[in-house]
Amino acid sequence: KQEVTQIPAALSVPEGENLVLNCSFTDSAIYNLQWFRQDPGKGLTSLLLIQSSQREQTSGRLNASLDKSSGRSTLYIAASQPGDSATYLCAAPSKNYGGSQGNLIFGKGTKLSVKP
Amino acid sequence: EAGVAQSPRYKIIEKRQSVAFWCNPISGHATLYWYQQILGQGPKLLIQFQNNGVVDDSQLPKDRFSAERLKGVDSTLKIQPAKLEDSAVYLCASSPDSIGDTEAFFGQGTRLTVV
Repeated sequence: KQEVTQIPAALSVPEGENLVLNCSFTDSAIYNLQWFRQDPGKGLTSLLLIQSSQREQTSGRLNASLDKSSGRSTLYIAASQPGDSATYLCAAPSKNYGGSQGNLIFGKGTKLSVKP
Repeated sequence: EAGVAQSPRYKIIEKRQSVAFWCNPISGHATLYWYQQILGQGPKLLIQFQNNGVVDDSQLPKDRFSAERLKGVDSTLKIQPAKLEDSAVYLCASSPDSIGDTEAFFGQGTRLTVV
């Protein structure tokens, strides 16, 4: 059974700092791993999807890495800004059913606060 | 490309009342999910559809929750009767039908408060 853990639960940094959010998963037989952002009272916005054949994926100031062998993924945010303040969630698929996408198992998220 | 649409955005009901949520997925996406997110937790799957068939409803409290997907497109999730512990955000998501590598897209969610 897939389990996803995120540390830290909360993080506060001054503006401009580079930071790393951590995600670990128990079942390494995954097809992909997805990182999301959630603003208070809002839905989830997909940030990055890393395929199992990839080791990292980049979008602007965001870089996500995937190490299946160790069951870990990291989200690196460069030059953080107050607008980056949100909760960041990672999700890994559960076992697939007959080849279709299994449902996503989520961590509890890391609440990031970037101070001006 | 239009995103996943959900309605209503907010709902307040008394316990033992019934409530229904609606979701319109991204056009062409075969897989549709309903998740429940309790404050401070990650989303938890309630039910997964592929086209109009149920793939996984193992975590759906079937004594009070029901869901259907009409003609493999729109979906409704119903709670009857509601309990205080059902207060949560209900998220709908969709993804393309492919083997393995897909990306899930979420709607804005419906925040339910049961008083």
